[in-house]
Amino acid sequence: EAEVAQSPRYKITEKSQAVAFWCDPISGHATLYWYRQILGQGPELLVQFQDESVVDDSQLPKDRFSAERLKGVDSTLKIQPAELGDSAMYLCASSLARLGEQYFGPGTRLTVT
Amino acid sequence: QKEVEQDPGPLSVPEGAIVSLNCTYSNSAFQYFMWYRQYSRKGPELLMYTYSSGNKEDGRFTAQVDKSSKYISLFIRDSQPSDSATYLCAMASQGAQKLVFGQGTRLTINP
Repeated sequence: EAEVAQSPRYKITEKSQAVAFWCDPISGHATLYWYRQILGQGPELLVQFQDESVVDDSQLPKDRFSAERLKGVDSTLKIQPAELGDSAMYLCASSLARLGEQYFGPGTRLTVT
Repeated sequence: QKEVEQDPGPLSVPEGAIVSLNCTYSNSAFQYFMWYRQYSRKGPELLMYTYSSGNKEDGRFTAQVDKSSKYISLFIRDSQPSDSATYLCAMASQGAQKLVFGQGTRLTINP
């Protein structure tokens, strides 16, 4: 069964350091999403790609967060510099099309110390 | 007021019980409704996907959407300990085309 892959699964970093997360969506899925999920809350969309283009990054803190999907396949989310409040689960999801069924990866749990 | 409201629980029921999970929403433009199950330290898993109003059944799970009341429900019949997880509702409109999630309800099924 096809799955969304994410790495690393866990990351501990000190504040002010840079950190990066990687996502490989299900093959053929044109739409890719990055979410942030704080403990005890639902996921919140950070950025949405359609192929290699950003279609929604309205909730992405652009002063420290960046995301790219250069070839329209896998994607990288970067935080620089990390802050204590960035500690959360970062989830990647993909779907065949916008508003299609979204399938999530296992997530990267980030702890900033 | 949040666009999507969901009681965080926790909800604890005995094995075999019928479980009812609910969400309310304020945005009348929502047309797509989903339920996800999330086990501890895992990513959400899609359970049900419905469009507009009505019911949808899949095995022990039934999703209901009442757009007139802005209320959606997920029913789990013959609940099992393996159903213990956090259940997230999510919804989207044709215009915004992005999912808005509820807070999640933490459910425990006791053997």
